[in-house]
Amino acid sequence: QKEVEQNSGPLSVPEGAIASLNCTYSDRGSQSFFWYRQYSGKSPELIMFIYSNGDKEDGRFTAQLNKASQYVSLLIRDSQPSDSATYLCAADPGTYKYIFGTGTRLKVLA
Amino acid sequence: GAGVSQSPSNKVTEKGKDVELRCDPISGHTALYWYRQSLGQGLEFLIYFQGNSAPDKSGLPSDRFSAERTGGSVSTLTIQRTQQEDSAVYLCASTLQRGASGRNEAFFGQGTRLTVV
Repeated sequence: QKEVEQNSGPLSVPEGAIASLNCTYSDRGSQSFFWYRQYSGKSPELIMFIYSNGDKEDGRFTAQLNKASQYVSLLIRDSQPSDSATYLCAADPGTYKYIFGTGTRLKVLA
Repeated sequence: GAGVSQSPSNKVTEKGKDVELRCDPISGHTALYWYRQSLGQGLEFLIYFQGNSAPDKSGLPSDRFSAERTGGSVSTLTIQRTQQEDSAVYLCASTLQRGASGRNEAFFGQGTRLTVV
């Protein structure tokens, strides 16, 4: 059974701090990884994707991929209350059938 | 269209009735997914269509669930003899396949909130 695991949270961080969200996956054949943000009552929206080992930065967001350890992380710098949402990690095992984690709920405290 | 469109946005139905949920993907996207999300839960994969290939139905929870995709575009998810446990948000997503290392991101519709009473 191919799985993507995330801590459900909630993860609470103060405004301006760095939020660190982690995700592990079981299928070593997974090739691409995605972070989606989902506000309450809304649909998921893509915020980052990564397929090479290392870091990928986009504004306040940094995605990190370590294929040897099979983990993906998302760092959010200078966290804002508007970042409060559920963050879903997804893996594409090369079959285009995405496997989603259950999400981590992030709360940024003003 | 500009995005993935789903209808209806909300559906309340009586237990035992059949319902049809519609998804209109982004034009040109060859892959289409249906997911189910119960309150406070993650995304549960239901079914996947890719071009003219046979759909991957491995996520359908029972034979009361079926889906079609006509002409490689619009998809309909049908739930027969609905049960209260079917109550959830049903999300549709489509992707443009760019290859194994491409940005095959899934674009989601706004979902259909199904309530079975």
